Amino acid sequence: KNEVEQSPQNLTAQEGEFITINCSYSVGISALHWLQQHPGGGIVSLFMLSSGKKKHGRLIATINIQEKHSSLHITASHPRDSAVYICAVRSNYGGSQGNLIFGKGTKLSVKP
Amino acid sequence: KAGVTQTPRYLIKTRGQQVTLSCSPISGHRSVSWYQQTPGQGLQFLFEYFSETQRNKGNFPGRFSGRQFSNSRSEMNVSTLELGDSALYLCASSPLAGGAPYEQYFGPGTRLTVT
Repeated sequence: KNEVEQSPQNLTAQEGEFITINCSYSVGISALHWLQQHPGGGIVSLFMLSSGKKKHGRLIATINIQEKHSSLHITASHPRDSAVYICAVRSNYGGSQGNLIFGKGTKLSVKP
Repeated sequence: KAGVTQTPRYLIKTRGQQVTLSCSPISGHRSVSWYQQTPGQGLQFLFEYFSETQRNKGNFPGRFSGRQFSNSRSEMNVSTLELGDSALYLCASSPLAGGAPYEQYFGPGTRLTVT
């Protein structure tokens, strides 16, 4: 079982829809990151969370430390939001302390 | 500030050869981390350097090595290349390192193809 699980793997939405991507993890963490990767490979860090909720424009990220779960929401989705969204946790235990552990990513396609 | 730069952007090598990839962090950042991304395994952590010292290492064979220079620039080397080493290699820089949470800034990556 992967230490970081994302769902769904693929998501197709119509422009304007509200989108939710989920991330569950099984290890102790010091922080959780949401990353965006566009075709071509470049990765942009969207959020870094250790508790609660953060908002940036149309993007909202939440984390529940007790349930080991985080969600990324996109309101009023737009075709330019089409990308792969990756959840990554920064481990705080044992030999992996400080390392980033990644989910497999959610490929989002927003149709006009 | 200029972003993280990686050179070369694309590389084609033959099985058995070795390769060196370079990463220049954002000015003032002292931590550089390296990641491998493949279609099958996704993103995986390779290693992290801070102030010229390797702080953490992922679960990769000894053929993968790296170093960091006094100006924080970093190189990673893969010896005896295998077909499975074909991947996008990303580096990321940060002003900090260690277990405390910190933002990372990613470079555009080097796409390595091994034939």
